Amino acid sequence: QVQLVQSGAEVKKPGASVKISCQASGYTFTDYLMHWLRQAPGQGPEWMGMIHPDRGTTTYAQKFQGRVTMTRDTSTNTVYMDVTSLTSEDTAIYYCTREGVAVAGDYWGQGTLVTVSS
Amino acid sequence: DIQMTQSPSSLSASVGDRVTITCRASQDVNKYLNWYCQKPGQAPKLLIYASYSLQSGVPPRFRGSGFGTDFTLTISSLQPEDFGTYFCQQSYFTPYTFGQGTKLEIK
Repeated sequence: QVQLVQSGAEVKKPGASVKISCQASGYTFTDYLMHWLRQAPGQGPEWMGMIHPDRGTTTYAQKFQGRVTMTRDTSTNTVYMDVTSLTSEDTAIYYCTREGVAVAGDYWGQGTLVTVSS
Repeated sequence: DIQMTQSPSSLSASVGDRVTITCRASQDVNKYLNWYCQKPGQAPKLLIYASYSLQSGVPPRFRGSGFGTDFTLTISSLQPEDFGTYFCQQSYFTPYTFGQGTKLEIK
């Protein structure tokens, strides 16, 4: 069965960086785009960008351009997202989702809580 | 960016009721509108994609409709397990934006 397993919770200080991983299993990793979203407390999800695991090509939301980098490792079926220059406004649960039909997120990781606090 | 506006922001309904949630896009998104349900402490779960297509494993009491800017999610006969927060998402233009959510409570 399809599974997306994310790395554990992180606590970071303002100005630091965080790298989150998402390991996929149960399907052909290179056949499906992977998206990253985040959800701040009490808010709807926010789309951050996507990566094509086969080619490694990326598309980022303009809001995160220059601060987010998405990469992948096809030997371990893992995608990564690096977020730099963290502020308290980056405190959120971060999710990876597999792109299904019509660009909908058909499978989701369990989420990774990132807390930014001094 | 395309703004997605859901209504109502919350509602309370009884088991067996018919429930309707609406979602309006600030510009035409064709049929690329998806619906998710999120329960506390869990990731969102896909219910409907491309306006009206039922995701595998989702009960047929969930029905989506609409095209362009106005969309509707209908639950024909509410069940106790349908509580949660429902989000719409447009997947036509990046950034793919979500509504603010509709919190559904069971009376």
